[in-house]
Amino acid sequence: GQNIDQPTEMTATEGAIVQINCTYQTSGFNGLFWYQQHAGEAPTFLSYNVLDGLEEKGRFSSFLSRSKGYSYLLLKELQMKDSASYLCAVMDSNYQLIWGAGTKLIIKP
Amino acid sequence: EAGVAQSPRYKIIEKRQSVAFWCNPISGHATLYWYQQILGQGPKLLIQFQNNGVVDDSQLPKDRFSAERLKGVDSTLKIQPAKLEDSAVYLCASSFWGTNVLTFGAGSRLTVL
Repeated sequence: GQNIDQPTEMTATEGAIVQINCTYQTSGFNGLFWYQQHAGEAPTFLSYNVLDGLEEKGRFSSFLSRSKGYSYLLLKELQMKDSASYLCAVMDSNYQLIWGAGTKLIIKP
Repeated sequence: EAGVAQSPRYKIIEKRQSVAFWCNPISGHATLYWYQQILGQGPKLLIQFQNNGVVDDSQLPKDRFSAERLKGVDSTLKIQPAKLEDSAVYLCASSFWGTNVLTFGAGSRLTVL
């Protein structure tokens, strides 16, 4: 079967750095996505990785290792507005998105 | 550009009643998706349209759920009759053909009592 694993919940302090991990087992691989979802709102696109390595976009970076079936989202200089759920999704060989359950990130002052 | 529009935002119904949700995607987006998101879970694809044709409806409970996109633009998702376990947020998303990035609407929150 196809599976995406992420921690259910994480807590971090304002101004700090947090890493949210995602491991996957899918039928084929055509890219990995990270979306941010604030409570009661729609998911919004953060990043897309299809090749191994680190993609940096401002305070957010995303890393991919295809051989390990592993990705992480790194958030730097955390702000209170970063409190949200972070969803990892993998596009399989049929170009269908397989979604993780999401990681709820709580930022404390 | 205008985003993905969905209505209604909230709906409360009794079990066995019917409900319909409407979605208008971003102009020019050929691909439209309906997802079901139960609290604390990731989105689950119900149906994917490419223009007005169905690409994937393998996870749509066809005995009670139906969806259409007659003119290849806006779409309607219907549930009849509703069950308690249908309580969820129904998200509509769209994308350009050949791209992988989805833009989601704000969702329609359904409560079945």
